[in-house]
Amino acid sequence: QVQLVESGGDLVKPGGSLRLSCAASGFTFSDYYMSWIRQAPGKGLEWISYISTGGTFTNYADSVKGRFTISRDDAKNSLFLQMNSLRAEDTALYYCARDLVPGRSTSDYWGQGTLVTVSS
Amino acid sequence: DFQMTQSPSSLSASVGDRVIITCRASQSVDTYLNWYQQKPGRAPNLLISAASSLQSGVSKRFSGSGSGTDFTLTISSLQPEDFATYYCQQTYSTPFTFGQGTKLDIK
Repeated sequence: QVQLVESGGDLVKPGGSLRLSCAASGFTFSDYYMSWIRQAPGKGLEWISYISTGGTFTNYADSVKGRFTISRDDAKNSLFLQMNSLRAEDTALYYCARDLVPGRSTSDYWGQGTLVTVSS
Repeated sequence: DFQMTQSPSSLSASVGDRVIITCRASQSVDTYLNWYQQKPGRAPNLLISAASSLQSGVSKRFSGSGSGTDFTLTISSLQPEDFATYYCQQTYSTPFTFGQGTKLDIK
């Protein structure tokens, strides 16, 4: 069965960095676009990035562009999100998701999320 | 950016009720519109993609319609497991914005 397991969330100070990982199993990871979506505590969903198969194309929300970098390692069935220059407003549960439709972040499987807290 | 506005923001209903949630886009998104269900403490679950395509394994109580700027999610006969928060999402243009959510609870 499809499984996505995020890790790497932590408490970090403003201006700090963090790298999130998402381990995928139960499907051919290299065949799928993947996305990151976040949810601030008690708030709604915010799409933040997707990456194409092979990692050729990436796209970001303006709120994270220039600070976050999405990447993937198909040999390790893993998705990553490098987060730099973190701000209090980046505090959220971060989900990785498999995309049903290439380039459309229509996410048919989601992980359980990893919590990032940005606070001094 | 495309703004997605759901109505109502919250809704109380009873088991067996027919419920309609609407989602309006600030510009046409064609039929690039998804619906998700999220229960407390859980990840969202894709119910409907491309405005009206029911995902495998999702109850036929759920249906979606619309195109352009106006969309609806209909639950034909509410069941206890349907009480949750529902989000629409446009995937016509990045950033792929979500509606603010509609919280459906028991009357």
